[in-house]
Amino acid sequence: DVVMTQTPPSLSVAIGQSVSISCKSSQSLVYSDGKTYLHWLLQSPGRSPKRLIYQVSNLGSGVPDRFSGTGSQKDFTLKISRVEAEDLGVYYCAQTTHFPPTFGGGTKLELK
Amino acid sequence: EVQLQQSGAELGKPGTSVKLSCKVSGYNIRSTYMHWVNQRPGKGLEWIGRIDPANGNTIYAEKFKSKATLTADTSSNTAYMQLSQLKSDDTAIYFCAMGTTFAYWGQGTLVTVSS
Repeated sequence: DVVMTQTPPSLSVAIGQSVSISCKSSQSLVYSDGKTYLHWLLQSPGRSPKRLIYQVSNLGSGVPDRFSGTGSQKDFTLKISRVEAEDLGVYYCAQTTHFPPTFGGGTKLELK
Repeated sequence: EVQLQQSGAELGKPGTSVKLSCKVSGYNIRSTYMHWVNQRPGKGLEWIGRIDPANGNTIYAEKFKSKATLTADTSSNTAYMQLSQLKSDDTAIYFCAMGTTFAYWGQGTLVTVSS
């Protein structure tokens, strides 16, 4: 299985600060169609996960443009500019390029 | 608006089975894959399997091949997952999710296994 390694495991931030979360995969996530199926999810406290970004850098519907995703092959980054209170929770990267789909261990974003 | 509405919490005894449902509104499930993912208490996300409701084809993670059975009813736009031979470590929240990029998620169903 593809191992997804997220760092850091937790982040303490102040409102308005910008943060980045790293996700590294054990294999390239480029599929045979040339696309990269790496996605970012946010699980707010007590809620189900919500997709923020799909295929590395595409913003999901209704997701603020404070969120951005970059990366290629095995190395990916989620950046949140100007963190707001509603951004707190656990962020997961996920890959659907290889079977079975796998998730990172999560990065917990907390208020400083 | 796409919504996935999952069935309510389940309390199952060891050795028994439970069947969870995920009713989709706002989108025809024939046009997508339906995934199931679990989250054990305080832990991360784990993929269980997926079904193609258009033809009933399923694929499972190795560790869930004997545990989970996925089905779908396109007439009611609902996906199902049956969990069999329940054990205490099956206690978890189970989510359904839609699409190849996990675009939409249900609210989750808590399954508690206890005698």
